[in-house]
Amino acid sequence: VLIQSPLSLLVTLGQSASISCRSSQGLVYSDGYTYLHWFHQRPGQSPRRLIYQVSSRDSGVPDRFSGSGSGTDFTLTISRVEAGDVGLYYCMQGTDWYTFGQGTKLEIE
Amino acid sequence: EVQLVQSGGTLVQPGGSLRLSCAVSGFTFRAFAMSWVRQAPGKGLEWVSAIGKDDKTFYIDSVKGRFTVSRDTFEDTLYLHMSSLTADDTAVYYCAISPQGWLQFAHWGQGALVTVS
Repeated sequence: VLIQSPLSLLVTLGQSASISCRSSQGLVYSDGYTYLHWFHQRPGQSPRRLIYQVSSRDSGVPDRFSGSGSGTDFTLTISRVEAGDVGLYYCMQGTDWYTFGQGTKLEIE
Repeated sequence: EVQLVQSGGTLVQPGGSLRLSCAVSGFTFRAFAMSWVRQAPGKGLEWVSAIGKDDKTFYIDSVKGRFTVSRDTFEDTLYLHMSSLTADDTAVYYCAISPQGWLQFAHWGQGALVTVS
């Protein structure tokens, strides 16, 4: 089980935002990698992966997005929030099959 | 460029059947596991099914015996055949690449809306 918090975020443009994702079990796979990813989804669009294996940024993702954590606690941080960052953010684990967090809705204040 | 192009979403009556397709390009389809993920209206993401590169198949409990995932490596197409559909299966269905590795869920289809009513 993955528990995200908060489920809703109201952020001022230019400020930072953090989303927590806690797993009920450790996420290190037998290959030594931790399969914890972060996705962004805008209304009517497919999820887009931002961060893979805890902290690696996907191609084209601004360095304002960063992932951190280990064991069972992980965090997505968005610095200098922009208008285009609104939408839903999901964490996902791919170590023991696949499960998603409940999603965090980010809105601009 | 990796592309996953979906088709097949539609309105279907309860108890009916439907097949979703996901045509892939830009990577060696037969070398990667693939998954189906769904999202009910206003809800979060739920993994539904996967097919390994060895063609082993996996499902969540709620669709076992009703859904079948398959692939055609000549046509580079992933399929999800759904039967005995209920209102609880109403969702946007996404295909995604899902190997154990850095490409896991890196690429998704555009989604296909299945409405059971």
